[in-house]
Amino acid sequence: GAVVSQHPSWVICKSGTSVKIECRSLDFQATTMFWYRQFPKQSLMLMATSNEGSKATYEQGVEKDKFLINHASLTLSTLTVTSAHPEDSSFYICSAPVSGQPQHFGDGTRLSIL
Amino acid sequence: QKEVEQDPGPLSVPEGAIVSLNCTYSNSAFQYFMWYRQYSRKGPELLMYTYSSGNKEDGRFTAQVDKSSKYISLFIRDSQPSDSATYLCAVTGGGNKLTFGTGTQLKVEL
Repeated sequence: GAVVSQHPSWVICKSGTSVKIECRSLDFQATTMFWYRQFPKQSLMLMATSNEGSKATYEQGVEKDKFLINHASLTLSTLTVTSAHPEDSSFYICSAPVSGQPQHFGDGTRLSIL
Repeated sequence: QKEVEQDPGPLSVPEGAIVSLNCTYSNSAFQYFMWYRQYSRKGPELLMYTYSSGNKEDGRFTAQVDKSSKYISLFIRDSQPSDSATYLCAVTGGGNKLTFGTGTQLKVEL
């Protein structure tokens, strides 16, 4: 069964609004979670590493003020896309390493900005 | 040059065929090798992972790593239509940061 839960699975919103995506680890604690972005027929691109209790680490070229990450507890990380525009439309996926195993991924959030 | 190269396909095979999926990588520091399966509009699902060179088998799936040639493979025996998906290889040097291939789209036809 899924060990990483992501919500919502699909969101459509108007340009200029902010959208929050949640990523939860189920039945395990995750001090670190990862946020990826995937365009159609392309691979996953790491956006940032979410660290519980401290600031996220962003990859080069990712706007920190645009993609706000909060990791307030050991089981929840959130990604907020602020003032979203059509070019932000994409598939956003979170992941967390499970003890002794590689990262497990959530089911992704399809974001469509009109 | 990309750190991980993977043929995007699409690869189409008849049901029951043996499927071979491959990736090459450039950095010899990579030591952990993973295969994920991703269905359309879903997150990647971990299939197999291996450390260093060698083979690992799990049911119909076999993962193979050849560090000398920087080549990793996933074999699927007795392929089924339900195996139709995109298969992503991923590598890491031991930390949490994964480097993915572009993914190979596989279609198993009846």
